[in-house]
Amino acid sequence: DAGITQSPRYKITETGRQVTLMCHQTWSHSYMFWYRQDLGHGLRLIYYSAAADITDKGEVPDGYVVSRSKTENFPLTLESATRSQTSVYFCASSGTSGAHYEQYFGPGTRLTVT
Amino acid sequence: AQKITQTQPGMFVQEKEAVTLDCTYDTSDQSYGLFWYKQPSSGEMIFLIYQGSYDEQNATEGRYSLNFQKARKSANLVISASQLGDSAMYFCAMRHAGNNRKLIWGLGTSLAVNP
Repeated sequence: DAGITQSPRYKITETGRQVTLMCHQTWSHSYMFWYRQDLGHGLRLIYYSAAADITDKGEVPDGYVVSRSKTENFPLTLESATRSQTSVYFCASSGTSGAHYEQYFGPGTRLTVT
Repeated sequence: AQKITQTQPGMFVQEKEAVTLDCTYDTSDQSYGLFWYKQPSSGEMIFLIYQGSYDEQNATEGRYSLNFQKARKSANLVISASQLGDSAMYFCAMRHAGNNRKLIWGLGTSLAVNP
């Protein structure tokens, strides 16, 4: 299906484990973003990417790693999960398919770190 | 500093009435864009409407319109004829030209539409 997908949709992991959240978009959008959403904090940018092999830190990058070897994929890895990383994670993309280069969001991944 | 402020944590409106959700922004740039997104209880983020800083007319998209007052740095979302399905969180966001399409987000307003 066309659009932007995230997997898994729900994940429970233990403190200290590595976990990777996947994001895939079919629009060939050049820009991709990872956010976390927590009550009282709104959406906070973790990392973003302007193109394949180009990534940069956002507002809250500590404890996260990203890569973008292909335009359509932008995985987010928590190297050693902590309870403070319990959150809802959204992936978004932006490209020429939007009249105003608006960001289109995936459905989100709800991550719980125990 | 660039900032988005949404002063209304929660709002109530009667079905079929109009409601205005406030958004003020702080920027020294001349070129920027303002976005509104809707997040229903199901969680997805839905793009609603966009206003460019150089747009002379207020943006409209169906029942959504943007009351853009550049001098006051406000970009309020107006929803006309509210429906029960409009109950959701609404986020205002700003993007600056040349900023790698990054958005600065407000904390959102929770809207409840009463039958």
